[in-house]
Amino acid sequence: ETGVTQTPRHLVMGMTNKKSLKCEQHLGHNAMYWYKQSAKKPLELMFVYSLEERVENNSVPSRFSPECPNSSHLFLHLHTLQPEDSALYLCASSQETAVDSPLHFGNGTRLTVT
Amino acid sequence: DAKTTQPNSMESNEEEPVHLPCNHSTISGTDYIHWYRQLPSQGPEYVIHGLTSNVNNRMASLAIAEDRKSSTLILHRATLRDAAVYYCSISGNTPLVFGKGTRLSVIA
Repeated sequence: ETGVTQTPRHLVMGMTNKKSLKCEQHLGHNAMYWYKQSAKKPLELMFVYSLEERVENNSVPSRFSPECPNSSHLFLHLHTLQPEDSALYLCASSQETAVDSPLHFGNGTRLTVT
Repeated sequence: DAKTTQPNSMESNEEEPVHLPCNHSTISGTDYIHWYRQLPSQGPEYVIHGLTSNVNNRMASLAIAEDRKSSTLILHRATLRDAAVYYCSISGNTPLVFGKGTRLSVIA
């Protein structure tokens, strides 16, 4: 149990589908993050939320839409994705966005776009 | 953000100490040095972090060079469960950015 739970663990979707990834943290943290991990590429930061407000968006295409309704939940809404969007999507949380605040990751959602 | 350089892979014998190096020559004075590891089919796991002084915890030790341009993660006795990709990262004004890491293999 990592304290950060992601669902579903695996998702296969067509390019015209709309789906959502869910992340829940039980650690009382104030910051939450979405990272993307593609095969043979480093982890890429996508979005950062602090106290439910988006504080960073790393030039992510609009077909990815995050939502943070409260400090414990984070969603990533997906629509009209491309096959190159297939990757492991990781959620993380930290006490604060401070530079010395460790990240706690979930085990990810493995997304395949067909 | 400061970039990091790590060897692509390393190998260790079980029960032996492992020293994983990381170069971060562009680190600034307020940047922290973080280490994470990622086991197969799991998300990254926090290992240790530090600013200037060496740090110890139950998982590992972090040795930071005096000029802070490099650091070494030390696993005192490698076990098969330590086989993973180890990431060294520097945190500055923005959240952590990860490089490609070092894949550690542990031989029984």
